Amino acid sequence: QSALTQPASVSGSPGQSITISCTGTSSDVGSYNLVSWYQQHPGKAPKLMIYEDSKRPSGVSNRFSGSKSGNTASLTISGLQAEDESDYYCSSYAGSSTFVIFGGGTKLTVL
Amino acid sequence: QLQLQESGPGLVKPSETLSLTCAVSGVSIRSSIYYWGWIRQPPGKGLEWIGSIYYSGNTYYNPSLQSRVTISVDTSKNQFSLKLRSVTAADTAMYYCATLRVTTNYYYNYMDVWGKGTTVTVSS
Repeated sequence: QSALTQPASVSGSPGQSITISCTGTSSDVGSYNLVSWYQQHPGKAPKLMIYEDSKRPSGVSNRFSGSKSGNTASLTISGLQAEDESDYYCSSYAGSSTFVIFGGGTKLTVL
Repeated sequence: QLQLQESGPGLVKPSETLSLTCAVSGVSIRSSIYYWGWIRQPPGKGLEWIGSIYYSGNTYYNPSLQSRVTISVDTSKNQFSLKLRSVTAADTAMYYCATLRVTTNYYYNYMDVWGKGTTVTVSS
């Protein structure tokens, strides 16, 4: 099964909003409300930002939000801050034959 | 709180077997809400799920690695392990262990706790 498709890079200025897309298929993203998003700073382990398409774990800023339409999930970051500059990965349940699938990752640059 | 710590050799020779262990603290590995997983990240590349195990021994593996991977659990030591056989330079990566929360249907939901990772280099 192929990885989920994310843009390689996105950018935005402080205070702006950006959206990162994550496109899968009807066998993964489109079939389950189980998309999660991870933030990874250089040299660090990934950190869970969004789960079950749109839920935020305790402690994650409400500037981060998730949504989904059909086979495409999205992560939106509002009020961009310099500290948001990072790599972001989506992930989804992909059925019993594959179980876990990741996106290729998106590098967010805060201009 | 729940913590994970990877350990194992940082250098493995080509064609040999990579072996890593993840020590779990703060929760029993018999917890019913978790699968326990391995994820890797080659230098400069993205995350790749390797496989996951439930405390009962039920496993899921990445189809692209399945022929070379074995994940096992040791409930007496509260840890789980990864073995990757016949390694090549393409297996050089940061290896992470992580908790996989599952739904009531035992579907993968999300990974909420990660170890710090351990670097493994495959080279002679």
